[in-house]
Amino acid sequence: GAGVSQTPSNKVTEKGKYVELRCDPISGHTALYWYRQSLGQGPEFLIYFQGTGAADDSGLPNDRFFAVRPEGSVSTLKIQRTERGDSAVYLCASSLLGPGEGDTQYFGPGTRLTVL
Amino acid sequence: SQQGEEDPQALSIQEGENATMNCSYKTSINNLQWYRQNSGRGLVHLILIRSNEREKHSGRLRVTLDTSKKSSSLLITASRAADTASYFCATDDWPGTYKYIFGTGTRLKVLA
Repeated sequence: GAGVSQTPSNKVTEKGKYVELRCDPISGHTALYWYRQSLGQGPEFLIYFQGTGAADDSGLPNDRFFAVRPEGSVSTLKIQRTERGDSAVYLCASSLLGPGEGDTQYFGPGTRLTVL
Repeated sequence: SQQGEEDPQALSIQEGENATMNCSYKTSINNLQWYRQNSGRGLVHLILIRSNEREKHSGRLRVTLDTSKKSSSLLITASRAADTASYFCATDDWPGTYKYIFGTGTRLKVLA
């Protein structure tokens, strides 16, 4: 595709519910990143995929958060038992090679998650 | 989280003036990148500078890097109203992890 796309653009849910956020990276990009951004803050790293595998998931805040990338392209971030503190913009980015190669990350427009 | 820090946090200038933003970071790096963000949504990559480089230019942008001080600066020359945005630096916390660590950002407002 032309760029990174994320769906939905906005998601409102109730506390305790389960949500899935989807990211479609740029075709051919092997690296995929998820970030979370709270108001007035910079993006906070959550997880990085190289191909199908999670190379670094140390940013996931707790075991309610999980992400997959089964075929090495589309990724889904899953949040169980949502809490009000999970409200944020969730950003996805992809790059051709990955960290250490110094290549550019291309960001999607983000999904704004609101937990009531 | 180990975010870097940008300063100033906010900057307001007149169109045509230059804008300088600074970024400090905590870890060793392989490269440092600057991004722009409009309206709190997707980030746009501006420029990447590697740890063995000291200065880089791209159009009206000039980035410097001082690894001994663990700091970088972004200069935007002849600013335009369209440059109004938040600007973030990101470092790759090298070696050992795959994280990109973003700073807290500088909110730039260019007045027409």
